[in-house]
Amino acid sequence: NAGVTQTPKFQVLKTGQSMTLQCAQDMNHNSMYWYRQDPGMGLRLIYYSASEGTTDKGEVPNGYNVSRLNKREFSLRLESAAPSQTSVYFCASSHMGTGNTEAFFGQGTRLTVV
Amino acid sequence: KNQVEQSPQSLIILEGKNCTLQCNYTVSPFSNLRWYKQDTGRGPVSLTIMTFSENTKSNGRYTATLDADTKQSSLHITASQLSDSASYICVVSGQAGTALIFGKGTTLSVSS
Repeated sequence: NAGVTQTPKFQVLKTGQSMTLQCAQDMNHNSMYWYRQDPGMGLRLIYYSASEGTTDKGEVPNGYNVSRLNKREFSLRLESAAPSQTSVYFCASSHMGTGNTEAFFGQGTRLTVV
Repeated sequence: KNQVEQSPQSLIILEGKNCTLQCNYTVSPFSNLRWYKQDTGRGPVSLTIMTFSENTKSNGRYTATLDADTKQSSLHITASQLSDSASYICVVSGQAGTALIFGKGTTLSVSS
């Protein structure tokens, strides 16, 4: 009963390096999301994918790209990491949009950019 | 501007005591309000979800209330346990298809 699985759990990058955060869900959900969580702030939406084949910007998309590889997988890429991207990243999924359906979160990726 | 404000920012209570966390929101139009529990180092886990027509919803020792007229919600925890130590996040959704608006959370510490 995996739910939403994120990899890696921890990562340290040097400024300018690139990396991809992976997310997979096994609940056959249509919608997937990437959030970042910073101290003293609520979770903020980076990108989301309402359904397979579509992606849209959220509140804080600058410096990120996403790929909805298939229905199960939604990846987040940092092309040139910056210290301001030090954060905890959460992937989430829901059956359909953010109406009255439940959203399930992964355990997070703690990223430090030095 | 759509906002979700939570109070208090942090709270310390003794095991076995009750507590109430508050959430005020300005999100409009409103679709539903959720309470999540986030343990340290983990992702948020849903406790309750309420639409505008629901006044109260319970999940074990957790009871959420909603007053859509005053745009206020509360989460009441009964007979607290050490495992209740966590951050509790209030999340509001506008009309279906719009993004979730997250509060900053209330950090609850339950001590023995």
